[in-house]
Amino acid sequence: SQKIEQNSEALNIQEGKTATLTCNYTNYSPAYLQWYRQDPGRGPVFLLLIRENEKEKRKERLKVTFDTTLKQSLFHITASQPADSATYLCALAGNTGGFKTIFGAGTRLFVKA
Amino acid sequence: DTAVSQTPKYLVTQMGNDKSIKCEQNLGHDTMYWYKQDSKKFLKIMFSYNNKELIINETVPNRFSPKSPDKAHLNLHINSLELGDSAVYFCASSHIQGGETQYFGPGTRLLVL
Repeated sequence: SQKIEQNSEALNIQEGKTATLTCNYTNYSPAYLQWYRQDPGRGPVFLLLIRENEKEKRKERLKVTFDTTLKQSLFHITASQPADSATYLCALAGNTGGFKTIFGAGTRLFVKA
Repeated sequence: DTAVSQTPKYLVTQMGNDKSIKCEQNLGHDTMYWYKQDSKKFLKIMFSYNNKELIINETVPNRFSPKSPDKAHLNLHINSLELGDSAVYFCASSHIQGGETQYFGPGTRLLVL
């Protein structure tokens, strides 16, 4: 069955450093991959999307890479700030099942001042 | 202006009761979704509607019945509530079916006692 795995443990980093979050998937050929941010008690908020034919996407301090051979995406936050502390969800959508989006369980990021 | 709104935000009820959750989006989107986020934080799709037509119906007990009176509204009715239904339910919308960016509501926290 389709599976998405994200770092199950929380990631703790110091302010100013680069946070790198990993998303691995199996038994899936996604048309695109997305990253969402979720704060406690709130709904997920869309951050970035990368398509299967793209290798890298950037938006301000965020960078996403997508390796369809390794079946992996990396999500980087450069110059991290305490305000970046949240849970980050990886999501895949493909051509099957009406582009149903499948979410990972998320990685909790803590940025310490 | 709230893009995707849900009511109620909190719902505490007894086993066996019937309850409804309402969702409205003012983004002019064609597609709306219901997701369930359990205690392990997995966000799993339940239903998807496109222009009031049911598109995705995951393996959800038939105690759960979605209704879309128009494309701006998607309600979820749950009959005979069970303990295992306790979770956070999120409504979301996207521009088109299989739309890449999904906009989530704030969630409804359901606790079944």
